[in-house]
Amino acid sequence: EVQLLESGGGLVQPGGSLRLSCAASGFTFSNYPMNWVRQAPGKGLEWVSAISVSGASINYADSVKGRFTISRDNSKNTLFLQVNSLRADDTAVYYCAKGWGGSYWGLLPHWGQGTLVTVSS
Amino acid sequence: DIQMTQSPSTLSASIGDRVTITCRASQSISSWLAWYQQKPGRAPKLLIYKASSLESGVPSRFSGSGSGTEFTLTISSLQPDDFATYYCQQYSTFSYSFGQGTNLEIK
Repeated sequence: EVQLLESGGGLVQPGGSLRLSCAASGFTFSNYPMNWVRQAPGKGLEWVSAISVSGASINYADSVKGRFTISRDNSKNTLFLQVNSLRADDTAVYYCAKGWGGSYWGLLPHWGQGTLVTVSS
Repeated sequence: DIQMTQSPSTLSASIGDRVTITCRASQSISSWLAWYQQKPGRAPKLLIYKASSLESGVPSRFSGSGSGTEFTLTISSLQPDDFATYYCQQYSTFSYSFGQGTNLEIK
């Protein structure tokens, strides 16, 4: 069974940083692209970033480009999202999501339970 | 970036009703469209991919259609478990944009 377990969220002041993690199990992590998707309280889903199986190819939403960094450690079956220069509008539940595979990076059949990031002074 | 627009934003319906949700893309995405269901406090669940393919384990009352820029999600006979928020998503091109969601509520 595919399992994705996010951690690292919390309360942070504007301008602060956090490192989100997603521990994967139940599948061969190194064979699948991975994504982060976020959801502000009471709002819809927003795709944030995706990373290829090797980590060599990465994409970001314009809203986070230059502030967020996605990475992965295939030896530890873990996905990361370094979030810097946080703003109030970054407050959201951040979901880790497994890509379908192949060229279908953004098709998301498996999701974690999410980790809440709250940006407030 | 490709914009995805869903309608309606809210839909009130009764058990046993047939309902349809529409999703429009700002440019052609071929059939690279998915539908997700989300319940409060839960992660989204994939229902439909490639516009009309049913994800494993999803009841056959769910169906999808369309290509290019116009897509629909149909639930043939609403069950109590179906009251939730539904999102379309294009996975043709970065950024993998979602529609704003359709809240399906009990009439």
